[in-house]
Amino acid sequence: NAGVMQNPRHLVRRRGQEARLRCSPMKGHSHVYWYRQLPEEGLKFMVYLQKENIIDESGMPKERFSAEFPKEGPSILRIQQVVRGDSAAYFCASSQTSGRSSYNEQFFGPGTRLTVL
Amino acid sequence: DQQVKQNSPSLSVQEGRISILNCDYTNSMFDYFLWYKKYPAEGPTFLISISSIKDKNEDGRFTVFLNKSAKHLSLHIVPSQPGDSAVYFCAAPPRGGSEKLVFGKGTKLTVNP
Repeated sequence: NAGVMQNPRHLVRRRGQEARLRCSPMKGHSHVYWYRQLPEEGLKFMVYLQKENIIDESGMPKERFSAEFPKEGPSILRIQQVVRGDSAAYFCASSQTSGRSSYNEQFFGPGTRLTVL
Repeated sequence: DQQVKQNSPSLSVQEGRISILNCDYTNSMFDYFLWYKKYPAEGPTFLISISSIKDKNEDGRFTVFLNKSAKHLSLHIVPSQPGDSAVYFCAAPPRGGSEKLVFGKGTKLTVNP
């Protein structure tokens, strides 16, 4: 059973370009989370999606960032008009259910390292 | 406003000795806490968790202790092995919201042979 897949693993963009990061959750998982890790920092929550729905986007910057998780295909995190401050590692995680009675483990992908020149 | 804090950026221990990683939290709105381990160029992997109704959870060489009155938890690794060298993150999902995780900044553990 393959784990969470993310691609590309490394992405280099010039200021003003668009970055598209893809995440394929584990088989059977319908919940996807995106986190960003800046250098020397912990992971910061960005957005939580289920198939075709954004459940919680409280961590997403108001401008330039968007996310989707279509019925078919991977989840996409899109960053438009990238700036140097967007350089970071972006991690995707997936889980099986969102029941609150107990913890539902989030499985993380290997991350996409975005570098903005 | 950092709700989960790891105040030690690094820790170095000798192989075979105990490693103790610490984490503090600033409010009581967490039902459980988790520790993740992260190697360079990889994503975090879940290590161990503890419910807020317990004060200890043990899994092999790993034990997590929770002190609710002090809003403090710690991860004990004994005996430490060189393969334990990694960054360890404390995390928790805030109560009443989605299952997003709030992470500490991490502690880099180095276990010397």
